[in-house]
Formats: sequence, structure tokens, C-alpha cells
Amino acid sequence: GIQVEQSPPDLILQEGANSTLRCNFSDSVNNLQWFHQNPWGQLINLFYIPSGTKQNGRLSATTVATERYSLLYISSSQTTDSGVYFCAAFSWRFGAGTRLTVKP
Amino acid sequence: NAGVTQTPKFRILKIGQSMTLQCTQDMNHNYMYWYRQDPGMGLKLIYYSVGAGITDKGEVPNGYNVSRSTTEDFPLRLELAAPSQTSVYFCASSYSVGGSYEQYFGPGTRLTVT
Repeated sequence: GIQVEQSPPDLILQEGANSTLRCNFSDSVNNLQWFHQNPWGQLINLFYIPSGTKQNGRLSATTVATERYSLLYISSSQTTDSGVYFCAAFSWRFGAGTRLTVKP
Repeated sequence: NAGVTQTPKFRILKIGQSMTLQCTQDMNHNYMYWYRQDPGMGLKLIYYSVGAGITDKGEVPNGYNVSRSTTEDFPLRLELAAPSQTSVYFCASSYSVGGSYEQYFGPGTRLTVT
């Protein structure tokens, strides 16, 4: 079946640092989405990015579908970036997430 | 637009009881989904629907039932609740246009079965 793996599982940063989160998937995708789950449990859409690169403020994402991975970049991290970041392939197959903690 | 709404926000059930989790979307999306999220884990698909009258099983359908009589509503029914169904339940919807299935999530229902 389809496998989605995220790395690293945990990440601790000092405020202002940059980070890269990775999502590998086992088969070709036509749908790839990144979400942020905040400490209150809410799932927030970050990017819908089946291929190419998108940017939204301090966040950007790149998906290379032919090589079966996607990257989420967070620059100048803030404490409000803390939470769990999920990628989802084929709409419904979620990875286990990367738990990000940004310390002031 | 309210987006995707779910009720209730919290619920405690006794073993063997039944309940229905409600989900409504006002974005005219044709696809709707139910997921569960166990503590510290990712989301797992329970059931999904591609339109009114059409539903199908996801990864973990046992112990649940769904129906889709309208575009807007997609209720999830738990029969004979068990402690293993303690979880947070999320409903989502998406609109399939040109192969795009960008999902939007509701706020979730936290269910405890004791």
C-alpha cells in the first residue's frame, strides 16, 4: 500500500532559526498537502502542492513528484509555529507528522 | 462561509452505547471524509464519500457506519462503542476539480469511551 514517511519526527528550534521538514511517499502522487496542527488540535491548511514550489510568507514548499518527496521550509521560526506538521498524499494517506517546538 | 462544522465538540460514552457525530459543510464540496486521530499519531481514514448517495470504506471502517443523503451532511455513526474508539474524530471536505482534492477540515470531536 501507499506509504508516507515524515522526518524528522521531532524538531526543537530556537526562535529565529530555519528548518526543513521532509515527506517521502512510496508511489507517484497527484495530490500532496501540508497541514499544521496547532496546540489546540486544529488542522490548518498550509499548501496544496502536487508538484512545483509555492511560498506563503515565511513558509514555502517544494514537491518533486518524480523523486517522490516534498519539503516544507520554515524560515525565521516563531513560537507560534510550534505544533505538528503533517503531509498527506493521495488526499487521505497521512504521515505520522513532525512535532516542532520553537523556544523563545 | 462557516466551512466544515462538527458537533459535538466533546462526548463521553459508556461501553456499548451508540452515537452519531455530525458533520456539515457549506462549500458545495462533493467529497467528504471522516478520520480518526489517536494520541501522538497521524490521521487514519475511516470512510469517505464522493457525492450524495455514494460512500466507501477507508483504512479503519470497523465499528462505524456513514450515510450521505445530501451534499452538505456526512454523519458518522458509532454502534456499540468500545474503548478502542476513544479518539479525536475529524471531518473534512474537498472539491475535485481537474484532479485537485484540496481538503478542508472541521475542528474535530473528542470522544472518550469508558
